[in-house]
Amino acid sequence: GAVVSQHPSWVICKSGTSVKIECRSLDFQATTMFWYRQFPKQSLMLMATSNEGSKATYEQGVEKDKFLINHASLTLSTLTVTSAHPEDSSFYICSAPRGQGADTQYFGPGTRLTVL
Amino acid sequence: QKEVEQDPGPLSVPEGAIVSLNCTYSNSAFQYFMWYRQYSRKGPELLMYTYSSGNKEDGRFTAQVDKSSKYISLFIRDSQPSDSATYLCAMMKGNNRLAFGKGNQVVVIP
Repeated sequence: GAVVSQHPSWVICKSGTSVKIECRSLDFQATTMFWYRQFPKQSLMLMATSNEGSKATYEQGVEKDKFLINHASLTLSTLTVTSAHPEDSSFYICSAPRGQGADTQYFGPGTRLTVL
Repeated sequence: QKEVEQDPGPLSVPEGAIVSLNCTYSNSAFQYFMWYRQYSRKGPELLMYTYSSGNKEDGRFTAQVDKSSKYISLFIRDSQPSDSATYLCAMMKGNNRLAFGKGNQVVVIP
């Protein structure tokens, strides 16, 4: 079946540094990918829609200059957390749809970011 | 009011019991109704989905949707310790953007 991978699976960084997270669709092409953030015992909150070859679409309240998204190819989207602070510590999950419909969304395994 | 409401309280049940989870929603534009299972520090995996009012069964799992009440449910029969996980409801309008509930952490005690 379709698989979505994320790298790294976990990262620890110092406050003020930037961290890049990759999301790859391994056996299908995705013109759109989605980035979610999940705080402990909270739901997945959609942060932005990554669009191949064009600008990402951010959800209300998400700082586009802080969370840079690049969808440079049909199988890769990256999320860069710039000038990370402890409050950015969270579980970041991407998903990629393979077609339309409820059963076509494939989620990555997530990246746990800890900012010291 | 949030689009999707799911009371996030944890739930502990003895093995073999029926687990009952539910969500409400406010947006009539939702077309698909899903239940995801998420293990700790993992991405969510799709359990079941439906797009019409009524019941849908898959083994020990039953998903129920009542569009007139904007209410969905998930029932797990004969619960097993391996069912211990967080269960999230999610809804979609057809543009692949999902709105999730807060999730219920379910613990099935052997």
